Amino acid sequence: DTGVSQDPRHKITKRGQNVTFRCDPISEHNRLYWYRQTLGQGPEFLTYFQNEAQLEKSRLLSDRFSAERPKGSFSTLEIQRTEQGDSAMYLCASSRLLAGDATGELFFGEGSRLTVL
Amino acid sequence: AQSVTQLDSQVPVFEEAPVELRCNYSSSVSVYLFWYVQYPNQGLQLLLKYLSGSTLVKGINGFEAEFNKSQTSFHLRKPSVHISDTAEYFCAVTEANTGGFKTIFGAGTRLFVKA
Repeated sequence: DTGVSQDPRHKITKRGQNVTFRCDPISEHNRLYWYRQTLGQGPEFLTYFQNEAQLEKSRLLSDRFSAERPKGSFSTLEIQRTEQGDSAMYLCASSRLLAGDATGELFFGEGSRLTVL
Repeated sequence: AQSVTQLDSQVPVFEEAPVELRCNYSSSVSVYLFWYVQYPNQGLQLLLKYLSGSTLVKGINGFEAEFNKSQTSFHLRKPSVHISDTAEYFCAVTEANTGGFKTIFGAGTRLFVKA
């Protein structure tokens, strides 16, 4: 059982460029979440998917942020026209939602750290 | 809506001393409560969780937490800490039976264990 993997682990980009992060969840998990974490803060919820359906995206920080999970497996988070304020750690998590198993335990990847110059 | 307050941003403690990291939450519905740990440059991993039943829950690495509904608290404790426990600890809450949708995290408590 491999854990949640994220790629790249680190990304340095110039302001105005687009960046994309990838997340591969634990294979049997049907829910996938994206969080943002800034220095000294806890993870901040951005969006989540159940299978391929994006069920909540109102917390995405602006219309420059978008996420996809096209086949219900891996997911991508794209930030267009990056700004210095986008510098943060972007965390992906997955969980399993089955009848009788809805504990909400999240399994996190190691994160993708974005630095916008 | 739920919210979580971690009352201490940093807790320095000597090795082998006991420690308590405090967490208070607010919610109008039933919740599940969690403590996660984050080591430097790593993701979060679950320490323990409270779903229902006994209010004292035990987790990994010798940690335990007590759910107090009347005080809306879920404090984390360890009777004797090790240098390796130095990390960031996050308390989290999620609405019960929703499978973790929109889990809310506290701002974290940095535990620093000194020799």
